[in-house]
Amino acid sequence: EVVLTQSPATLSLSPGERATLSCRASQSISIYVAWYQQKPGQSPRLLIYDASNRATGIPARFSGSGSGTDFTLTISSLEPEDFAVYYCQQRSDRLTFGGGTKVEI
Amino acid sequence: QLQLQESGPGLVKPSETLSLICTVAGDSISSTSYYWGWIRQPPGRGLEWIGSIYFTGSTYHNPSLKSRVTMSVDTSKNHFSLKLTSVTAADTAVYYCARVWRHCSIGGCYPFDYWGQGTLVTVSS
Repeated sequence: EVVLTQSPATLSLSPGERATLSCRASQSISIYVAWYQQKPGQSPRLLIYDASNRATGIPARFSGSGSGTDFTLTISSLEPEDFAVYYCQQRSDRLTFGGGTKVEI
Repeated sequence: QLQLQESGPGLVKPSETLSLICTVAGDSISSTSYYWGWIRQPPGRGLEWIGSIYFTGSTYHNPSLKSRVTMSVDTSKNHFSLKLTSVTAADTAVYYCARVWRHCSIGGCYPFDYWGQGTLVTVSS
């Protein structure tokens, strides 16, 4: 089973700052990583798939990068609505999610 | 606009079977482009994939749950369903259904682009 480790667990930032979230896989998973955003009481929302492709309607301030075992989600300039929990997911092996990173003010 | 809606009992007794239905509106569950999936989230915790099903009945399962999970599709009603047997308190979670792209590897398909609002299922006597 591929284990996804997200870091940091919590990221404390201010609006306008840059957020860099990490997702590390226990073995190589090529580019098969997706990123989701979840706000309290809401369902997850797809942001990025195949490491770097933005989903439909996702603002350009969200970008993804990486391959192999190390992946990054970057939010170039945080908007108030971006404070949420972010999960990575892989499909190289059986589907698994990372433990999440909470981006808080 | 695609909408998915989970329905089913909110309370299930230990050792019994959890049954949920996901009704799809705005798209055909018989679309050749998508699978349909189930994901759960225990209160205050992360996401766990349960399984995914194609309209033909082809499935992918999370191996850790496979022995207790049955998924099915009813194309006439445009819905798909989940049954989880022998539930315990550890199965208490918000259960989501979602649409899944047919980007598949040996272990499953992703990503999940449309999600239902989720339904809380509590396992308790």
